[in-house]
Amino acid sequence: ETGVTQSPTHLIKTRGQQVTLRCSSQSGHNTVSWYQQALGQGPQFIFQYYREEENGRGNFPPRFSGLQFPNYSSELNVNALELDDSALYLCASSLVTGMGYEQYFGPGTRLTVT
Amino acid sequence: DQQVKQNSPSLSVQEGRISILNCDYTNSMFDYFLWYKKYPAEGPTFLISISSIKDKNEDGRFTVFLNKSAKHLSLHIVPSQPGDSAVYFCAASFGNEKLTFGTGTRLTIIP
Repeated sequence: ETGVTQSPTHLIKTRGQQVTLRCSSQSGHNTVSWYQQALGQGPQFIFQYYREEENGRGNFPPRFSGLQFPNYSSELNVNALELDDSALYLCASSLVTGMGYEQYFGPGTRLTVT
Repeated sequence: DQQVKQNSPSLSVQEGRISILNCDYTNSMFDYFLWYKKYPAEGPTFLISISSIKDKNEDGRFTVFLNKSAKHLSLHIVPSQPGDSAVYFCAASFGNEKLTFGTGTRLTIIP
C-alpha cells in the first residue's frame, strides 16, 4: 500500500501565470481533498472530490479548479496566479465509509508566486 | 471566523513528562475530531481521532479527551519523547465534510 504523493515538490511562478499541481492518492481511497496552508496557519480547505465529482468547496474563487481521475490521481489548477497564492498546497486522500474518517496527507507542493 | 482555535502557539516540555495540547471549537455541529502532527517539509500525519459520542480515546502514549459541553478537546502525550517535537494541529469535521484546522501548536521536547 503506497502513501499519498505529490508533484512537484517546489514551484516558482510569476503573477498571472497558471499552475497545475498533481497528487496520487493512497490506493483504494475514493476521496481526495486539497488544502492551502499559508505560513503560520493551519491548512484551509479548497475542495474535495468523491468518485471524480466535486463534493464540497471552501471559500476559494473559481480560478481554483480540480479534477479527480479513475486511477485515484488528482490535479489542482490555479489560473491567474496572485502573490497571495504563495503557500504550501496539500493533497489528502481518504476512504469515506461512515461518520468521521481520517485523511492522509501528502508532503505538499510549495508554490511561490513572484 | 476561526471555528477551531489553538490558543498556545508553542509549548516546551521536559522529556519524560506529560505534554498537554489544547483545542477549542465554536461549531456545535462538529462530530468528529482529529489530531495531526507535522514535521518541517512533510505533510500532516494523522495521530488520533475521537467521535462526539465518546469522551476519551487512547492509542499508546496518546490520549485525546473531548468535553462537548465546554467545546474543548485536548491531546495528552505520556511520556513525552524528543521525537514528539513537531507542530500539532487539531481538526474537526461534520459528517463526511471537510476538515477545519486550528492554527497549530509547536511542541518542543527538552532532553
